[in-house]
Amino acid sequence: DTGVSQDPRHKITKRGQNVTFRCDPISEHNRLYWYRQTLGQGPEFLTYFQNEAQLEKSRLLSDRFSAERPKGSFSTLEIQRTEQGDSAMYLCASSLQGTGIETQYFGPGTRLLVL
Amino acid sequence: AQKVTQAQTEISVVEKEDVTLDCVYETRDTTYYLFWYKQPPSGELVFLIRRNSFDEQNEISGRYSWNFQKSTSSFNFTITASQVVDSAVYFCALSADYGGSQGNLIFGKGTKLSVKP
Repeated sequence: DTGVSQDPRHKITKRGQNVTFRCDPISEHNRLYWYRQTLGQGPEFLTYFQNEAQLEKSRLLSDRFSAERPKGSFSTLEIQRTEQGDSAMYLCASSLQGTGIETQYFGPGTRLLVL
Repeated sequence: AQKVTQAQTEISVVEKEDVTLDCVYETRDTTYYLFWYKQPPSGELVFLIRRNSFDEQNEISGRYSWNFQKSTSSFNFTITASQVVDSAVYFCALSADYGGSQGNLIFGKGTKLSVKP
């Protein structure tokens, strides 16, 4: 029984560099979410996919951020031209969406530090 | 607007004490779901419970119990006979099926629980 996995677990980069994170959801989960969590705060919603379609983006997701979920399986989150304010934990979650609101199961997160 | 407030930033107890974590929510939707997650130092959010707005029955699972009261918009979490392994940050979250936003969670700021031996 595999849960949500994320790679890498930690990333240190210099300001201005691009970074990409990967999330593998629980098998057969059709919804995939990205959240960002800064120190001392709760996670904040960034975007979500239903299968391969990106259905909603938060205003937190500036044009430097892009997310994909090709073929409705794994997802990638890319941050271009990183800034120090991007330092945070990036969490991925998945759920099996039916007609209501289902439980989201989270991965271990990718901790990003921008120097 | 949707909002979750966890007024207790940090709580410290001694092992075997009971502790209650408070959660107050705001929403205009009549259909919504409430969740509690645990975040140990490793960072992974662990799902604990999910309740929908039409089910106000309290729930008990081992040492954990939840009290959902729509009249006060609260969904409080009690740990009975706390243990050191309960030390973590606990998040309350709200999800409502409104407009095009289906299912994204709105989290409180969390309550850090420290259980000392």
